[in-house]
Amino acid sequence: GQQLNQSPQSMFIQEGEDVSMNCTSSSIFNTWLWYKQEPGEGPVLLIALYKAGELTSNGRLTAQFGITRKDSFLNISASIPSDVGIYFCAGQQVGNQFYFGTGTSLTVIP
Amino acid sequence: KAGVTQTPRYLIKTRGQQVTLSCSPISGHRSVSWYQQTPGQGLQFLFEYFSETQRNKGNFPGRFSGRQFSNSRSEMNVSTLELGDSALYLCASKLGSFDQETQYFGPGTRLLVL
Repeated sequence: GQQLNQSPQSMFIQEGEDVSMNCTSSSIFNTWLWYKQEPGEGPVLLIALYKAGELTSNGRLTAQFGITRKDSFLNISASIPSDVGIYFCAGQQVGNQFYFGTGTSLTVIP
Repeated sequence: KAGVTQTPRYLIKTRGQQVTLSCSPISGHRSVSWYQQTPGQGLQFLFEYFSETQRNKGNFPGRFSGRQFSNSRSEMNVSTLELGDSALYLCASKLGSFDQETQYFGPGTRLLVL
């Protein structure tokens, strides 16, 4: 099945730094979701986006629905150790299944 | 509001056996999707059920099947288990309204096939 291109694959950053990651697709989506997954747990929803150009924040996290509807971006400001985990994007066309990115593994060095 | 629950959380089976996993969606959600997650393949979509009917299906062999009950609870069955079926199986629920859908995951069932 279709998989979204998510980058970077992994990041090692110092505590306090900002983080940026993105997802791209060859298809247009109507919904973009961003999740965080920690070891042994299911993905937890962070941000949901429903409109091209939409910019939504959740605390230190900000995500954007790309204008072309084929991409989305997630930024984390002033990273802290508990931000460690794997971040996934997911895109959906109305009535269809969600397609997932390959994940960005984030390591925060104190 | 309770989240998505999955049982059991951990399971060990041997090759050739069959297994049934259970998922209870968030109250009011009518759509349940199942995913297989492995380190090599990432999150792979298995199927989605909505109002007891399979609505979407991924690219998995017929050994993988599912069903949904009238209370929206869902079960997934894998017959004739293979070593490669070892994975984290995730269930996710959403309203199913086709309008600004938000999907929530359960904690998963970790299956080990020996």
